[in-house]
Amino acid sequence: DVKVTQSSRYLVKRTGEKVFLECVQDMDHENMFWYRQDPGLGLRLIYFSYDVKMKEKGDIPEGYSVSREKKERFSLILESASTNQTSMYLCASSLLSPGRIGSPLHFGNGTRLTVT
Amino acid sequence: GQQVMQIPQYQHVQEGEDFTTYCNSSTTLSNIQWYKQRPGGHPVFLIQLVKSGEVKKQKRLTFQFGEAKKNSSLHITATQTTDVGTYFCAGPYSYGKLTFGQGTILTVHP
Repeated sequence: DVKVTQSSRYLVKRTGEKVFLECVQDMDHENMFWYRQDPGLGLRLIYFSYDVKMKEKGDIPEGYSVSREKKERFSLILESASTNQTSMYLCASSLLSPGRIGSPLHFGNGTRLTVT
Repeated sequence: GQQVMQIPQYQHVQEGEDFTTYCNSSTTLSNIQWYKQRPGGHPVFLIQLVKSGEVKKQKRLTFQFGEAKKNSSLHITATQTTDVGTYFCAGPYSYGKLTFGQGTILTVHP
């Protein structure tokens, strides 16, 4: 069974801090994703990566960056955290492009980030 | 803007009642996926629909994909408290990306 592990379940940071959210998957999946989840807005894609060192902007990339130095690890970086980045952050992986048949997303447990 | 609209946003039912959530896309989709997120949990894949007019069942859950491949629905017959959670539809609007609807939060009163 696929396991996607996010390093922290809860995180509290101050405005202006640099924040790293880490995600590791154990199934040799090509694709990895970062979503944020806010009430009434569903899941919105921040960034995704289809290969090591490759990254693509999602729908809401402003204020975020990512790093994928190894296939199994995908990091989300908030260069200077702001209060409007308080949210639930979900990492996911898929074997192939998620639009392909039989390649669903597998999510981690999420990191609830609070920026004060 | 949001390319997939999901309604209703909330649904409260008594245990044993039926429940339906609807997903409408602005464009034709190659396929549509459904996920369930239990309270405090993470989204878990339920099913993928590919063919026009496709209907699939998983026990009390019935999933439909519209003939034009622009809408989909999830129907739960005789809800149980274990059905509580948020149900999301999602579609591949561009290569490599899966776009989610806003989700429907289902509450089941025993």
